[in-house]
Amino acid sequence: DGGITQSPKYLFRKEGQNVTLSCEQNLNHDAMYWYRQDPGQGLRLIYYSQIVNDFQKGDIAEGYSVSREKKESFPLTVTSAQKNPTAFYLCASSIMAGRIYEQYFGPGTRLTVT
Amino acid sequence: QQQVKQSPQSLIVQKGGISIINCAYENTAFDYFPWYQQFPGKGPALLIAIRPDVSEKKEGRFTISFNKSAKQFSLHIMDSQPGDSATYFCAASFDKIIFGKGTRLHILP
Repeated sequence: DGGITQSPKYLFRKEGQNVTLSCEQNLNHDAMYWYRQDPGQGLRLIYYSQIVNDFQKGDIAEGYSVSREKKESFPLTVTSAQKNPTAFYLCASSIMAGRIYEQYFGPGTRLTVT
Repeated sequence: QQQVKQSPQSLIVQKGGISIINCAYENTAFDYFPWYQQFPGKGPALLIAIRPDVSEKKEGRFTISFNKSAKQFSLHIMDSQPGDSATYFCAASFDKIIFGKGTRLHILP
C-alpha cells in the first residue's frame, strides 16, 4: 500500500515543550512538504524539502524545524518558540523536485498545546 | 502575483443542484490547476486537475472549466449529493504550488 503516513493522529503537549511530528512516505517521491491548517486559513506552507539533506523555509517557518536525512522521512519539530502551535498539521509529497504537478497529502496530525 | 483567489468561502446547495466554486490567478507561469477535496479531520485528496491547453475537463459529476484569457477556472459539481459536503481547494502550480483558501460546501439532504 503506497502512501503517506503521519503519526500520531492526535497529539497533546504542555506549553513550553518541543514536539516532533512524524511523516513517512513510500511513494519514492523526491519532494516533501509540511503545511499548517487553521480554520478559515487554508493551507500555509511551513517547510519543504526537494532532496535529502536539504530543505527550505516556507511562509510560516518561525518556531518550527525539520530534517531530511532519508528520502522517505521528513519529521517536523514544533518548538516552544512557536506562539500558537495548536493546529492541524499536514505532510505532503510530490514526484519531482522543482516541478510540481500532483501533490499527495497524509492524513494529518492534530496538535493541541495547553 | 502568486495568489490564487477562491470564492465563495462557503456554499450551501440543495441535493441534486449544481455547486460552483471559482478561482482566479495572476501569474501566467502557472501551468497546472488541481482541485482538492478535504473531509473533516482528513488530509486533502486530489479530485481533478486541468492544464491550460484545454478549456474543460470532466470526470463523472465533477467538471473543471478553464478560461485562460480571463485567468479564471472553476469547479462544477453536478447533481450534488450530501456526500460531497467537504472543503474544496483550488490550486495553481509551476515550480511551486499555491492554494486557494478553500470553500466549505454543504449539500442539504
